[in-house]
Amino acid sequence: DGGITQSPKYLFRKEGQNVTLSCEQNLNHDAMYWYRQDPGQGLRLIYYSQIVNDFQKGDIAEGYSVSREKKESFPLTVTSAQKNPTAFYLCASSRILDRNSPLHFGNGTRLTVT
Amino acid sequence: AQSVTQPDIHITVSEGASLELRCNYSYGATPYLFWYVQSPGQGLQLLLKYFSGDTLVQGIKGFEAEFKRSQSSFNLRKPSVHWSDAAEYFCAVGAGSGGYNKLIFGAGTRLAVHP
Repeated sequence: DGGITQSPKYLFRKEGQNVTLSCEQNLNHDAMYWYRQDPGQGLRLIYYSQIVNDFQKGDIAEGYSVSREKKESFPLTVTSAQKNPTAFYLCASSRILDRNSPLHFGNGTRLTVT
Repeated sequence: AQSVTQPDIHITVSEGASLELRCNYSYGATPYLFWYVQSPGQGLQLLLKYFSGDTLVQGIKGFEAEFKRSQSSFNLRKPSVHWSDAAEYFCAVGAGSGGYNKLIFGAGTRLAVHP
């Protein structure tokens, strides 16, 4: 079945370390997104990409970086500059310019930084 | 700026009772509106969406939502709740240069279902 795979499900890091979250999709979607979820705040957009080798900052991009070298993959790096990195991170994808294409979400990665 | 407000943080209903989850949005043009559901520790699943046309939209799992432009609302309803409906529900509006794919989410409403 097609879908979005995020790995790992749980991730623990020490403060000051960079960490990369994986997101792979086999839906042949052009667009991919990273959201951060904190209790009581809903989901906030970190970065999104509508085409390979191109991406745009979302609302809370500071302290994060992404790459889009392949259509299927959109890894997110949480850098040591991110002040509050502990959160639940969700990756999503969609076809673009298609009103019938909603966002499809992965099952998330819970990052804990101590 | 576009925004979504879900006024109820937590709602508890009895199994078999009806449900209405409220959602208000702020958007200058005709919005694209969505409801998603999230089980604990999981991703989000689309329940239904509104782009245009009939203001009452049907979704999966027996849910429906009504778009009311005059009230800037898109409330989610279900006539009879099942215990398996306990989850967190998010309303979202499609906005920005990314079109409807770039979603702005509300803070969510957590639903508990009593047997």
